[in-house]
Amino acid sequence: NAGVTQTPKFQVLKTGQSMTLQCAQDMNHEYMSWYRQDPGMGLRLIHYSVGAGITDQGEVPNGYNVSRSTTEDFPLRLLSAAPSQTSVYFCASSYSSPYGGANVLTFGAGSRLTVL
Amino acid sequence: AQSVAQPEDQVNVAEGNPLTVKCTYSVSGNPYLFWYVQYPNRGLQFLLKYITGDNLVKGSYGFEAEFNKSQTSFHLKKPSALVSDSALYFCAVRDSNNAGNMLTFGGGTRLMVKP
Repeated sequence: NAGVTQTPKFQVLKTGQSMTLQCAQDMNHEYMSWYRQDPGMGLRLIHYSVGAGITDQGEVPNGYNVSRSTTEDFPLRLLSAAPSQTSVYFCASSYSSPYGGANVLTFGAGSRLTVL
Repeated sequence: AQSVAQPEDQVNVAEGNPLTVKCTYSVSGNPYLFWYVQYPNRGLQFLLKYITGDNLVKGSYGFEAEFNKSQTSFHLKKPSALVSDSALYFCAVRDSNNAGNMLTFGGGTRLMVKP
């Protein structure tokens, strides 16, 4: 079982460059999300999706775009990278419940991004 | 709004001793509470969760957590720490009335278990 797969694991960008972090899951999870992890700040939600074709903003969406064309994939795009986006990014998925169930998130291994 | 506080950046314990990692929360409704663990260079892994019922929740690797509604706390505990328990621990909360499964995470507590 692959679970949640993120690529790349490491990336170095220059300010202003663009890139896409890939996330794929093979568990047929409806809900997918992107978090960033910064020291002392825990994980902060960037964007999430409750199904194909549906996305919404989380706590810190500025500077990031997402799309969800298939159930399996949820890429995160940085259109013009900034040093403030240096972070570790995690993709996570779960079965979703329209009434807010206590579903467990399955996380990918993370993507470490450095913006110079 | 919902929030989580983990008041200790780091907890140090000796192997074999009991450990406690503290977590307090704030939600407007009834909470769903979670503990996740992160080992170096890995994603977060689920340890345990509280939904309703018994205040003492048992989870993976011998960990347990006690839900205390009056103190709005959900402390993680283990009777006897192992060196392999050394990792970063995150508490998370979601308001049970919040559709969309969005979690709010605490800042994390690094657990160091020394032989």
